[in-house]
Amino acid sequence: EVQLLESGGGLVQPGGSLRLSCAASGFTFRSYVMSWVRQAPGKGLQWVSSISGSGISTFYADSVKGRFTISRDNSKNTLYLQMNSLRAEDTAVYYCAKRQVGEYYFDYWGQGTLVTVSS
Amino acid sequence: QSALTQPASVSGSPGQSITISCTGTSSDVGGYNYVSWYQQHPGKAPKLMIYDVSNRPSGVSDRFSGSKSDNTASLTISGLHAEDEADYYCSSYTSSSTPYVFGTGTKVTVL
Repeated sequence: EVQLLESGGGLVQPGGSLRLSCAASGFTFRSYVMSWVRQAPGKGLQWVSSISGSGISTFYADSVKGRFTISRDNSKNTLYLQMNSLRAEDTAVYYCAKRQVGEYYFDYWGQGTLVTVSS
Repeated sequence: QSALTQPASVSGSPGQSITISCTGTSSDVGGYNYVSWYQQHPGKAPKLMIYDVSNRPSGVSDRFSGSKSDNTASLTISGLHAEDEADYYCSSYTSSSTPYVFGTGTKVTVL
């Protein structure tokens, strides 16, 4: 059974940093593109970042480029999102999501972790 | 990249059919057969309902179906059930600077 479990969310002041983690199980982690998708309170879904199975290729939404860094440790089956220079508009539930091979949809999602940026 | 356009809300009575539209451009919905649909109940993670315009993942009821015409994709829910009440989001691959774009979301209410 595929499981994705996010952690690391919390309250942080504007300008601060936070690192999110997503522990994966139930599939061959290194074979799949993984992504982060966020949802601000009461708002819709927004793609944030993706990383290839090897970790060599990374992609970012314009709104987080230069501030967020996606990475993965395939030996630990874990996905990360390092978030720096956080802004109030980064407040959201952050979901990690697995992308199906060769496709452009997310077949499994974690339960999400809430990041609140506020003074 | 602008979000795909969905109606804010759609409602129907149990047993009825409803259709949710998702309008994009030739750079996303109209240009690729990579439209997917997600169901999200309050406080829960999104769940994949339709992928590649009209395919259903294993375990998803055949009451859910998808289609596309030009720059608009549609999700139809037939024989509406109370548990179908949720938010629904479309998504598409896009040739813009970001590879994925989501819709604005539609709240489905079962009357």
